[in-house]
Amino acid sequence: EVQLVESGGGLVQPGRSLRLSCTASGFTFGDYAMSWVRQAPGKGLEWVGFIRSKAYGGTTEYAASVKGRFTISRDDSKSIAYLQMNSLKTEDTAVYYCTGGYGDSFDYWGQGTLVTVSS
Amino acid sequence: DIQMTQSPSSLSASVGDRVTITCRASQSISSYLNWYQQKPGKAPKLLIYAASSLQSGVPSRFSGSGSGTDFTLTISSLQPEDFATYYCQQSYSTPCTFGPGTKVDIK
Repeated sequence: EVQLVESGGGLVQPGRSLRLSCTASGFTFGDYAMSWVRQAPGKGLEWVGFIRSKAYGGTTEYAASVKGRFTISRDDSKSIAYLQMNSLKTEDTAVYYCTGGYGDSFDYWGQGTLVTVSS
Repeated sequence: DIQMTQSPSSLSASVGDRVTITCRASQSISSYLNWYQQKPGKAPKLLIYAASSLQSGVPSRFSGSGSGTDFTLTISSLQPEDFATYYCQQSYSTPCTFGPGTKVDIK
C-alpha cells in the first residue's frame, strides 16, 4: 500500500523557519518526482514546487510565490522528501500536501500537514 | 504562466445524473491535463491523467476528454460518494497550475 506521511507542521511566527518531512512507502521512491502542493483555508490548490528524480537530474522548480524562500530536497536512501520553509509569511498559512508522481501527474498524496504563520 | 479556468464553479445534481465539468487553459497544453477529486478534510485524489487516461482503481463512470485548450470531465451516473470538489491541473509547463475547482453537491 502506498503511503505518504507528512510531518513538521505547526504554528510559527512570521519571519521564522519550518521544515516539513514526507516519509514514503509502498512504491519505488527514487523513481518518482516529489512535489509539494498547498491549500490555504477554504481555498483551492496551489503548487509549491517539485524535485525531479535522480534519473532526471534531481533538479527543482518552484512557484514564484515561494522561490528563494522554500527549498525542496530528497533523501532516496530514506524515502523522505523535505520542504524547508524560510522567511515565512502569514500568506503561507495552509495545509501542505506531499505528492509523488511518476509521469506528469500527482499520483499519490499524503494526508497533509497544517502550517499556521501567525504572531 | 498558464491560467486554468473551470465551469461551472458549482453545480447541484442528483444521484444517477450525468455530470460534465469543463476546464479551459489560457494556451494550448496538448494533453497535459489531469483531474483530481477532493472531499472535505481529505487530500485530493488523481482521477484522470493525460486528459483521458483513467487512473488505476478509479471507477469507469469517470471519463476525460479534450486536447489543446478545452477539456471535459464527465461522470456518467453520479453516485453518492462522488459529491466533492473537482480540480483540473496542467502539467505542460511550470508553474503547474490548478483550476479554481468545481463543487458538486446534492440537489
